[in-house]
Amino acid sequence: AQSVSQHNHHVILSEAASLELGCNYSYGGTVNLFWYVQYPGQHLQLLLKYFSGDPLVKGIKGFEAEFIKSKFSFNLRKPSVQWSDTAEYFCAVNGGWSYNTDKLIFGTGTRLQVFP
Amino acid sequence: EAQVTQNPRYLITVTGKKLTVTCSQNMNHEYMSWYRQDPGLGLRQIYYSMNVEVTDKGDVPEGYKVSRKEKRNFPLILESPSPNQTSLYFCASSLTGGANVLTFGAGSRLTVL
Repeated sequence: AQSVSQHNHHVILSEAASLELGCNYSYGGTVNLFWYVQYPGQHLQLLLKYFSGDPLVKGIKGFEAEFIKSKFSFNLRKPSVQWSDTAEYFCAVNGGWSYNTDKLIFGTGTRLQVFP
Repeated sequence: EAQVTQNPRYLITVTGKKLTVTCSQNMNHEYMSWYRQDPGLGLRQIYYSMNVEVTDKGDVPEGYKVSRKEKRNFPLILESPSPNQTSLYFCASSLTGGANVLTFGAGSRLTVL
């Protein structure tokens, strides 16, 4: 079965530190990849997405992610985090399903805490 | 403003008392879906709908029902809620056809005592 793994469950950083959150998926076909963010008490918002083309994608708020097909990975990065980045981050994959076309399979999430 | 609206946002109920969580979108999206979010498990799909009158089970459909009589609405029905349905529920919608971005509602936190 398809799955998404986020190995970092809880990350604690100081402001200005660099961030990298890991995401690996298990699916051999064409994939569309997403990172969503959930700020405390809020709904999920799209950070960035990869459908095709340049494997390095840039999203909102200075986030970027790199798709490495050979490693089945889509890691999220930010060079310098801010206190306002405190949130839960979810990696998700859409496998180009022929039915239930827009289903996303989510990872278990990574809680990021940034201290001033 | 384009959005997905869920109600209620918070609900505490008792075992066996039927309840409905409403979901409405104003973007003319064909695809709608319900997810539940549980600690350590991420989001899991409960039901989805490809279009009006077309619904199907997701990964965790037990104990839930849905209907899609109109394009904009996709209510989630718990006929006889149980404590293991205590969770945070999200409705989402998108233009169908794959490779589309899901827009999520604000979430409905349900507690079943």
